[in-house]
Amino acid sequence: DADVTQTPRNRITKTGKRIMLECSQTKGHDRMYWYRQDPGLGLRLIYYSFDVKDINKGEISDGYSVSRQAQAKFSLSLESAIPNQTALYFCATRDSGRAEDTQYFGPGTRLTVL
Amino acid sequence: GQNIDQPTEMTATEGAIVQINCTYQTSGFNGLFWYQQHAGEAPTFLSYNVLDGLEEKGRFSSFLSRSKGYSYLLLKELQMKDSASYLCAPEGSNYQLIWGAGTKLIIKP
Repeated sequence: DADVTQTPRNRITKTGKRIMLECSQTKGHDRMYWYRQDPGLGLRLIYYSFDVKDINKGEISDGYSVSRQAQAKFSLSLESAIPNQTALYFCATRDSGRAEDTQYFGPGTRLTVL
Repeated sequence: GQNIDQPTEMTATEGAIVQINCTYQTSGFNGLFWYQQHAGEAPTFLSYNVLDGLEEKGRFSSFLSRSKGYSYLLLKELQMKDSASYLCAPEGSNYQLIWGAGTKLIIKP
C-alpha cells in the first residue's frame, strides 16, 4: 500500500461547487502540506501543518481551507470552486526536525473546474 | 526576494551525460533538494546537499556551492526512463522548500 494516498485522483466540477480533496498517510509524519502545480510553474504551497493543532497558510491560500482531522489526515477544501483553480494538487508529508528529511508526495489529484 | 532559476528544457542522447544547473536566492538556507517528476506523477526525491561539494549516488550526482547560490544535477549513462522534469528546491530558513519550475529533460535514442 502507498504511504501517502489522495482521493479522488481525478475530479471534474462546476464553478461555485464545494470540493474536498483528502490526503492520508501511514508514514507517521507530523508535517503535512498541500501544493498545487500548474504547467510551467513550480509547486506552490497552499497550506501546511506541523501537527494537528498547528495549521499555517502558504503563499496561495486564498480560496482554500484545510482541516487536519488527525495526524494521518489532512483535507483541502475549495469552498466555491473557480476555473483558475484547475490544477494538479499534491499532498506531501515530512518527518519533523531535521533539515535533510525529504518530503514524500501523494499521487496527486487532477482537478478541473468548468 | 526568493528566486529559483533553471533551464526550461534540455535534450540529451541516450547513454550520454547531462548537467542541469540551478541558481537560487533564498531568505536563509538550510540545504537543497533535487526531485525527479515524470509527467502527471508525483515528485520523488533524488538528492540533498547541505555542504559545498559533490554528492554521488549511482548514476546521479549533485553539486552545491553555497557562496554562489548554485547547484547542478549530473546524470550519467542516460536512459530513456530518465526523461522527466527535474526540480531544484532550496530550503529556506523557515524549513520551507522553495520550488523551481523544473527542467524538462528529453532523452533521444
